[in-house]
Amino acid sequence: EDQVTQSPEALRLQEGESSSLNCSYTVSGLRGLFWYRQDPGKGPEFLFTLYSAGEEKEKERLKATLTKKESFLHITAPKPEDSATYLCAVQAVYTGTASKLTFGTGTRLQVTL
Amino acid sequence: DTEVTQTPKHLVMGMTNKKSLKCEQHMGHRAMYWYKQKAKKPPELMFVYSYEKLSINESVPSRFSPECPNSSLLNLHLHALQPEDSALYLCASSQDQARKGDIYEQYFGPGTRLTVT
Repeated sequence: EDQVTQSPEALRLQEGESSSLNCSYTVSGLRGLFWYRQDPGKGPEFLFTLYSAGEEKEKERLKATLTKKESFLHITAPKPEDSATYLCAVQAVYTGTASKLTFGTGTRLQVTL
Repeated sequence: DTEVTQTPKHLVMGMTNKKSLKCEQHMGHRAMYWYKQKAKKPPELMFVYSYEKLSINESVPSRFSPECPNSSLLNLHLHALQPEDSALYLCASSQDQARKGDIYEQYFGPGTRLTVT
């Protein structure tokens, strides 16, 4: 069974204090890994898709990387507006009628002044 | 434009009521999804429509009835719900449904906060 584990569960940073969020996965065959940002009471906002080990993508203060077992979301010099829950999801190799996303439980990030 | 819209934003309904949630996208996407999300939990897939046909039903109780009137619209009809059905209901769409050898990111709407009393 496909599994996705995110750590830490919650993270509190001061403005400007860089850190990384981890997403470890166990899937039968990875087709892609997604990162989403979710603000309280709102829908997830798509951030990145990573396809293969060694791939990196960047968007403003965020950088996502992928290895064969895990993905990291690096946050450089975060600002309070980066506070949100960050969700990781994997899509496994197609084996049936469709390939579904398996989500992790998320990391709740709070950035304070 | 990667916008998915959902109405209403909030809904309070009694256990004997019938109501509907609506979702719309104008990105030309051919796959649409309903998810249920409880507080501090990840989204749980309920239904997938592909080219306006129901493709996946994740063993959802029959008190939830999906409908896809056309390629841009997705409805979720609610009837005789239970208090434990209170949650954030999310609609999403993607260019196509993932099949062998391909992958498509899903774009989510803002959700409908449903409270069943």
